[in-house]
Amino acid sequence: KAGVTQTPRYLIKTRGQQVTLSCSPISGHRSVSWYQQTPGQGLQFLFEYFSETQRNKGNFPGRFSGRQFSNSRSEMNVSTLELGDSALYLCASSVRSGTGASPLHFGNGTRLTVT
Amino acid sequence: DQQVKQNSPSLSVQEGRISILNCDYTNSMFDYFLWYKKYPAEGPTFLISISSIKDKNEDGRFTVFLNKSAKHLSLHIVPSQPGDSAVYFCAASSNSGGSNYKLTFGKGTLLTVNP
Repeated sequence: KAGVTQTPRYLIKTRGQQVTLSCSPISGHRSVSWYQQTPGQGLQFLFEYFSETQRNKGNFPGRFSGRQFSNSRSEMNVSTLELGDSALYLCASSVRSGTGASPLHFGNGTRLTVT
Repeated sequence: DQQVKQNSPSLSVQEGRISILNCDYTNSMFDYFLWYKKYPAEGPTFLISISSIKDKNEDGRFTVFLNKSAKHLSLHIVPSQPGDSAVYFCAASSNSGGSNYKLTFGKGTLLTVNP
């Protein structure tokens, strides 16, 4: 079974631009979550989607948004990029939403660098 | 406000010995705890989890212990192998109060197992 696939793996953008990251979950998984990893803050929750609906959102500004499609694939968008948005963005999928008993399976991430 | 803390940024052990990774949490609403392992340039990989109704869970060389009164959990790896060298993240979730699923992560502990 293929794992969680994130594209692209690396991205370099300029301040003020916007970016879209893509995530394909494991087949059969309907929940997709996004996390930001930085050296100083560790892994921080961005949002979770289940059946095309945002179920939960972390403490990030409105410049961070996402969506999920009917095939469970998800995209994350960051507008008006800032230097501080440079990070590893991780997507994770799980079979169900709303339970710790359904562990998250992570992709290898998209490394975003903002210059 | 860091609700999940891994106070040791790094740990070094000899091959064949026991590795003990520690994690403390402050939110008494957490009811599920997980450990993830992360190699460089890869996403975190789920290792083992424990529900708050248990105090121990074992899977092969990995055992997680939970002490709810102390709000402390630990991961034991016995025997340690060089391939275990990675960053280990402790994570917690809460499903109480109708809150939807998200993981709160610690900042990780780098484990180095020396041959």
